[in-house]
Amino acid sequence: DGGITQSPKYLFRKEGQNVTLSCEQNLNHDAMYWYRQDPGQGLRLIYYSQIVNDFQKGDIAEGYSVSREKKESFPLTVTSAQKNPTAFYLCASSIDPEAYEQYFGPGTRLTVT
Amino acid sequence: QKEVEQDPGPLSVPEGAIVSLNCTYSNSAFQYFMWYRQYSRKGPELLMYTYSSGNKEDGRFTAQVDKSSKYISLFIRDSQPSDSATYLCAMSANQAGTALIFGKGTTLSVSS
Repeated sequence: DGGITQSPKYLFRKEGQNVTLSCEQNLNHDAMYWYRQDPGQGLRLIYYSQIVNDFQKGDIAEGYSVSREKKESFPLTVTSAQKNPTAFYLCASSIDPEAYEQYFGPGTRLTVT
Repeated sequence: QKEVEQDPGPLSVPEGAIVSLNCTYSNSAFQYFMWYRQYSRKGPELLMYTYSSGNKEDGRFTAQVDKSSKYISLFIRDSQPSDSATYLCAMSANQAGTALIFGKGTTLSVSS
């Protein structure tokens, strides 16, 4: 089955700890994205990567970091510098950076207390 | 004024009803318009895509774009309980996925 997997589905962390969210795709897509979704808010772009070993900040990158060492993997680290990390995090990919259609993973719900 | 406005609802309708979901936008440069459907605790999936103005139909779903009014709509005919989900509009000025602006989503509930 081709698709995007995110793990874990639910994640709980104490304040002050860094946490890494996993995102893997086997669609052979070049571009990958991380979004944050909060209640009552639209999806907001955190980081995106158009190609391996390259990534760019989105609209709300502060307190987050990413890496893209492999085409199929785009992990997101939520650092202790992120003021309000509790949210639903969605990873997506598209066949190339110019493609409008993005395929989303099932999401990871992060709760920080 | 936010770039994309979407009434969050919730919208509750009986099975078989015609549903109208809408978004307004302020950026006249937007040309690419999309509707995503998101079931609870799942990732969004692309439902409809329209370039520029006009209508597009796919089964029970029709997407309309009125650029002169900066208004887009998604119509669902013969709504089913399985249509219960959050519907997100998204749009961009260029085709790049990095430029997508999403609405907040409208939550729809179809009762049998």
